[in-house]
Amino acid sequence: NAGVTQTPKFRILKIGQSMTLQCTQDMNHNYMYWYRQDPGMGLKLIYYSVGAGITDKGEVPNGYNVSRSTTEDFPLRLELAAPSQTSVYFCASSYQGPPLDTQYFGPGTRLTVL
Amino acid sequence: AQTVTQSQPEMSVQEAETVTLSCTYDTSESDYYLFWYKQPPSRQMILVIRQEAYKQQNATENRFSVNFQKAAKSFSLKISDSQLGDAAMYFCAYRRHSGGGADGLTFGKGTHLIIQP
Repeated sequence: NAGVTQTPKFRILKIGQSMTLQCTQDMNHNYMYWYRQDPGMGLKLIYYSVGAGITDKGEVPNGYNVSRSTTEDFPLRLELAAPSQTSVYFCASSYQGPPLDTQYFGPGTRLTVL
Repeated sequence: AQTVTQSQPEMSVQEAETVTLSCTYDTSESDYYLFWYKQPPSRQMILVIRQEAYKQQNATENRFSVNFQKAAKSFSLKISDSQLGDAAMYFCAYRRHSGGGADGLTFGKGTHLIIQP
């Protein structure tokens, strides 16, 4: 049971490039989340999903897209990368929905846009 | 909108002593949930403790306990018998009870806890 895994661990992008951050969980959780953590700050919600085929925006969705074709995977797509997207990205999952859910976090992806 | 404030950017404690991390929050909701997460250098977020706002009794998990003061909107974390492995960033987080969708957590900026051997 690996929990929540994220790839890659690190990535450097040039302005205008695109990439997909991968997130996979093996706990059969319905709920999945993407957060970003800027230096010296707490995490902010980008997108979330309550099940396969269902996604919705969080607090800071601009510049990102998601899809959820399976229960296990929840990739985050960055189109036209900008320096403001330099951050650490965390994926999380939970079995229950709010408010009693306990979110399990992946190890994060550190992204730098130059 | 809800906000979570952690006023201590950094705290230092001697090993085996007790330390308290502060957290205040602002909300107009009456039902909500509060969390403390630990983020070690590995960056992975680890749930430390959770408190339901409707419960008067303070949550405890082994050496970790909270002091939840609902009227004051305060939610501090006490770590007893501090250990070197407790060194990490600690984030206070809030989630409201009501509302549609999954509603992510609202985090504070974190407190960096240093354990002196």
